Amino acid sequence: GAGVSQSPRYKVAKRGQDVALRCDPISGHVSLFWYQQALGQGPEFLTYFQNEAQLDKSGLPSDRFFAERPEGSVSTLKIQRTQQEDSAVYLCASSQGAQPQHFGDGTRLSIL
Amino acid sequence: AQRVTQPEKLLSVFKGAPVELKCNYSYSGSPELFWYVQYSRQRLQLLLRHISRESIKGFTADLNKGETSFHLKKPFAQEEDSAMYYCALSGRSGNTGKLIFGQGTTLQVKP
Repeated sequence: GAGVSQSPRYKVAKRGQDVALRCDPISGHVSLFWYQQALGQGPEFLTYFQNEAQLDKSGLPSDRFFAERPEGSVSTLKIQRTQQEDSAVYLCASSQGAQPQHFGDGTRLSIL
Repeated sequence: AQRVTQPEKLLSVFKGAPVELKCNYSYSGSPELFWYVQYSRQRLQLLLRHISRESIKGFTADLNKGETSFHLKKPFAQEEDSAMYYCALSGRSGNTGKLIFGQGTTLQVKP
């Protein structure tokens, strides 16, 4: 595709529900990143994949957050037992080599 | 600690005035610095990176290692420059390439 694609664009869930957010990176991009952006803040790093390997998950805020990229392309960020503080925009970015990261439009998650 | 600080949440200038968006960083090592921009209803996109030393849309930024700053400048602001600007850094060697962002500065260019 032309760019990083994320779905859904908006997600509303009740507290306690599980959610899954999808990221389709630019074709051929080896590196994939997830960021969380709270209202009025800059994006904060969550996790990083190189192909299918999750090499850095130091930014995941709790064990309720889980990410995978089983075939080294599409990635899914799953949040279990959502809480209100999980409300944020979740951004996905991909890159190739030393090139800068390209961002998707993000998924705006609202937890009621 | 690795940190990026953008001291101004909002910067408001008139069209044609000079613009300087401030960015200071803290990083033990040799970082790479970026400016990303987000126009209304658009995705975050790269504006410039310090290693390329380019001028994009009239914007420039110089890395000052002594002051640990990477301020973004433009001599004459245009209305279409109104957007949210984020300064970010990435470690070089031994780093995954993850970006550390500042909180962002909203630039408002008035007619």
